Amino acid sequence: GAVVSQHPSWVICKSGTSVKIECRSLDFQATTMFWYRQFPKQSLMLMATSNEGSKATYEQGVEKDKFLINHASLTLSTLTVTSAHPEDSSFYICSAPSQGSGRYTGELFFGEGSRLTVL
Amino acid sequence: AQKITQTQPGMFVQEKEAVTLDCTYDTSDPSYGLFWYKQPSSGEMIFLIYQGSYDQQNATEGRYSLNFQKARKSANLVISASQLGDSAMYFCAMREILNFGNEKLTFGTGTRLTIIP
Repeated sequence: GAVVSQHPSWVICKSGTSVKIECRSLDFQATTMFWYRQFPKQSLMLMATSNEGSKATYEQGVEKDKFLINHASLTLSTLTVTSAHPEDSSFYICSAPSQGSGRYTGELFFGEGSRLTVL
Repeated sequence: AQKITQTQPGMFVQEKEAVTLDCTYDTSDPSYGLFWYKQPSSGEMIFLIYQGSYDQQNATEGRYSLNFQKARKSANLVISASQLGDSAMYFCAMREILNFGNEKLTFGTGTRLTIIP
């Protein structure tokens, strides 16, 4: 089946630095990718929808300048946490629909997730 | 606005027994999709089952079945013959189609299932 790969799985950084997380669809093209954030023992909260060839759509309350999203190609979307602070520490996970349009395909494929710890 | 509700924060079930995880939803859209995902301690999200709002039959995938009651707006997950490996967090989610073809997947708060040997 379709696979989404996320890298890195773990990242520890100092406060004030920027961290880039990559999300790749390995065997299918994804015009849309979703970025989620999950705090410990909580649900996944949608941060933004990444669209290939256009700007990302951010959910209310998510800082665009803080969480930069770039959908560089049909198989790659990146999330950059800029000037990271300890409160940005979280589990970030991306997903992509199994078909380009994503309309009721019946399945979204998730990356393995990236655990960010900001010291 | 849509809403997904999972009222069971945690459940303990004896191995080999069946278990039902509750999920109710609220949407005014006529077309929507309902998902169940499993998240083990490793953090990965594992797709279990999908139900389209227009699907006539309840979805089934191996030991997983979805008890879809459209009028009640419920989409409960039934796991038959539970196994120790079923211990994980389970999330119900609903896909909503927004304007201009954009879509959004909203998750419930999850149910932590623990299978007891």
